Amino acid sequence: GENVEQHPSTLSVQEGDSAVIKCTYSDSASNYFPWYKQELGKRPQLIIDIRSNVGEKKDQRIAVTLNKTAKHFSLHITETQPEDSAVYFCAASRDDYKLSFGAGTTVTVRA
Amino acid sequence: DTEVTQTPKHLVMGMTNKKSLKCEQHMGHRAMYWYKQKAKKPPELMFVYSYEKLSINESVPSRFSPECPNSSLLNLHLHALQPEDSALYLCASSHITGQSTGELFFGEGSRLTVL
Repeated sequence: GENVEQHPSTLSVQEGDSAVIKCTYSDSASNYFPWYKQELGKRPQLIIDIRSNVGEKKDQRIAVTLNKTAKHFSLHITETQPEDSAVYFCAASRDDYKLSFGAGTTVTVRA
Repeated sequence: DTEVTQTPKHLVMGMTNKKSLKCEQHMGHRAMYWYKQKAKKPPELMFVYSYEKLSINESVPSRFSPECPNSSLLNLHLHALQPEDSALYLCASSHITGQSTGELFFGEGSRLTVL
């Protein structure tokens, strides 16, 4: 099955700085790569996703890049704000409705 | 309506009890999911229903029994649980598209404590 590794496990950044989270996956057939944000005590919510036919996608301060050859994808958050503090999960999936999640990254934005 | 509603929010049960978790969505999604989440861990897939039929069972113990009465409702029946089953149980739903899983919409979860 798919194995997704996520790094780092914790990330502390100064407000206004950028944050980068990296994930690698094992199954070359995976074709869908979402990122979920989970605030403390809340539900996971999709913040951005990318499919394997695209190399990069951006939505305001958030961007995701995908390198299919190297089997890794990354989340970039620019101009971080306190409300960006949360746990972020990357995930990968092929055409079978099974999302394999990474272990998560706890992001803390220092004011 | 873009909500997935789960009840109850909290549940405490003994190991001999029978209880049920309920999930409802009115977004017209034909895929519904149960996930289990332990503290500081990612969600773990338990079951997937597509078009009201069970399509994925991730080798979940039979003390967890899912049910999908119609396209809007998903239940998880609990019986003879163990303390290690204590966790947050998340329901989710998504459209069924031709390209694997679309966006998952999660409910707020039911926090289960087994004594």
